[in-house]
Amino acid sequence: GENVEQHPSTLSVQEGDSAVIKCTYSDSASNYFPWYKQELGKRPQLIIDIRSNVGEKKDQRIAVTLNKTAKHFSLHITETQPEDSAVYFCAASTTGTASKLTFGTGTRLQVTL
Amino acid sequence: DAGITQSPRYKITETGRQVTLMCHQTWSHSYMFWYRQDLGHGLRLIYYSAAADITDKGEVPDGYVVSRSKTENFPLTLESATRSQTSVYFCASSESKGGRGLNTEAFFGQGTRLTVV
Repeated sequence: GENVEQHPSTLSVQEGDSAVIKCTYSDSASNYFPWYKQELGKRPQLIIDIRSNVGEKKDQRIAVTLNKTAKHFSLHITETQPEDSAVYFCAASTTGTASKLTFGTGTRLQVTL
Repeated sequence: DAGITQSPRYKITETGRQVTLMCHQTWSHSYMFWYRQDLGHGLRLIYYSAAADITDKGEVPDGYVVSRSKTENFPLTLESATRSQTSVYFCASSESKGGRGLNTEAFFGQGTRLTVV
C-alpha cells in the first residue's frame, strides 16, 4: 500500500522567514496530494492541494510543488506569521474506486517572533 | 463544518468493554474514513468506505469493526477496548469527481478523545 514520509517532524522559523516541508510517497498510482493544517485541539483542515497533472500550485503565501518522477511534493510557506504555527500533514490519494487517503506523520511548525 | 459530526466528543471506558464511536455526515459524500491520531504517528487509517455496504481495512484495523448501512453514517466499534486504543479518533468524508478515485477535499469531524482505563 501507499507509504507517505514527511520531513522534518519539527520546524522552527522566525516570523517573516520561509518554511518548507517535504513529503515522499511510494505508490506511483497516487494522483492527488493535499496538505492539511491542524491547530492545537482542532480538526485537520485543507489548506492547499495539487493533482498529478500539475507541477506547482500557489495560493497567496502558500505553494505546493510536485515531482511525479521523484515521487515527492513540498509545501512552501512564505512570510510566515505566528498564526501559521500548527501541525501540517501531507497526504496522498491513490486512484480507482477503492482509493484512500494516506497521511504523513506531520510537521510541527513553530513561528517565533 | 456542521456537515460532519462525531459523537461522543469524549469517552472514558474500561478495558474489555465494547465502545461505539458515531460519525454522521449530511453531504451524501460517498467516501468515509476513520483515523486515529497518536503523537509521533500522525493520522493512521483504521477503516474506510467507498460507498454504503462497501468497507475496507486501512493501516491499523485490528480490534475495530465498522459498518455502513447508510451513506451518511459510519460507526466505529471497538469490540473489546484495550489501553493501546486510547487515542483521538477522527472521522472524515469526501467525494470523488469523475469516478476517478479520491481527489477532492476530505472534511474531518471534531474528533473523539477516547481513554481506555
